[in-house]
Amino acid sequence: AQKVTQAQTEISVVEKEDVTLDCVYETRDTTYYLFWYKQPPSGELVFLIRRNSFDEQNEISGRYSWNFQKSTSSFNFTITASQVVDSAVYFCAIYNTNAGKSTFGDGTTLTVKP
Amino acid sequence: GAVVSQHPSRVICKSGTSVKIECRSLDFQATTMFWYRQFPKQSLMLMATSNEGSKATYEQGVEKDKFLINHASLTLSTLTVTSAHPEDSSFYICSARERGVSGNTIYFGEGSWLTVV
Repeated sequence: AQKVTQAQTEISVVEKEDVTLDCVYETRDTTYYLFWYKQPPSGELVFLIRRNSFDEQNEISGRYSWNFQKSTSSFNFTITASQVVDSAVYFCAIYNTNAGKSTFGDGTTLTVKP
Repeated sequence: GAVVSQHPSRVICKSGTSVKIECRSLDFQATTMFWYRQFPKQSLMLMATSNEGSKATYEQGVEKDKFLINHASLTLSTLTVTSAHPEDSSFYICSARERGVSGNTIYFGEGSWLTVV
């Protein structure tokens, strides 16, 4: 079985603050993919990143950065200098290549206030 | 990169009617497609797994006669909500598994909002 825990249900920050969204996963598989998705108020799911379990390099894309730590089974997501448009629900997910199934966390609702 | 497209992105239908949602892999062959449902303010829950050319495997608690899944080709899977009711209003999303040299990779569609009135 696999599991994704996003312990932060809701986070509220003021614009320009940095914010980190936590994601901890459980899996018995050695090969898997980790994802982050953004779901803005408009509802569609927006792909942010996919990370292979063999690639622990951290990644930065503009104001977004991801910290993948296999030792702690975490894949945290940081938004630097947050903006109001970052307000959304963010989902972390794991895809098990052997079982061929994805499991999503419960999501973290981020509110960025002006 | 690979893209999965869902259509329609939003649909409103009358109670008692059926509605079809399409999931297409645009530039790769998807041997397996997955359908998820998201209840308001909740996470995405797997409904069923469909393999091309065979019957879908439904998760426990999902009515197979109500949520018909067809995976007729390697690039298209459809979800038909039959005799829709207001409680079927939800966000439905599909994902597709591509077989690659390095193993299986998976891509998600953007989702489809269904409102039953």
